[in-house]
Amino acid sequence: KNEVEQSPQNLTAQEGEFITINCSYSVGISALHWLQQHPGGGIVSLFMLSSGKKKHGRLIATINIQEKHSSLHITASHPRDSAVYICAVRPPGAQKLVFGQGTRLTINP
Amino acid sequence: GAGVSQSPRYKVAKRGQDVALRCDPISGHVSLFWYQQALGQGPEFLTYFQNEAQLDKSGLPSDRFFAERPEGSVSTLKIQRTQQEDSAVYLCASSLARDRGLNQPQHFGDGTRLSIL
Repeated sequence: KNEVEQSPQNLTAQEGEFITINCSYSVGISALHWLQQHPGGGIVSLFMLSSGKKKHGRLIATINIQEKHSSLHITASHPRDSAVYICAVRPPGAQKLVFGQGTRLTINP
Repeated sequence: GAGVSQSPRYKVAKRGQDVALRCDPISGHVSLFWYQQALGQGPEFLTYFQNEAQLDKSGLPSDRFFAERPEGSVSTLKIQRTQQEDSAVYLCASSLARDRGLNQPQHFGDGTRLSIL
């Protein structure tokens, strides 16, 4: 079993829909990251959080430390949001990130 | 540019050849990471440098993989006697040093796509 599990693995939705991507982890963490990867490989950091909730534009990330669970929400989704979204955790005392397998999101016009 | 730069973007090599992948981190970033991403999977940690010191190489899959950062800036990942299973995207990331326990975000390059024939 992977230390970081994401669901769903693939998600297709229509433009305007509310999107939720889930991440569960089995290890202790000092921080959790949500990352976006477009075709071609480039990875962009969306959020880094260790508690509560963060919002940036149409993106919202939440984390529940007790339940070892985080969600990434996208409101009013748009085709340009189509990408792979990756959850990654930083174990305490470590610098490296441990990644989930990613969720491939496709937003159709 | 201001971001992490990796070269080459694409590399095709025959099985058994040696390859070298380069990473130019963001200026001033102390920490540098190498990750390997197989097709359809999330990245997996290979190795970590703080300045020129390689503090963690637990993710290197075999002794064919070697990384260095001799002057604490540019890093090179070398793979000797390449095998087909080495085909992947190799990602480099850099970050400021961890300061008083505050996490620093990692900034990623676009990666090098390595194909071993």
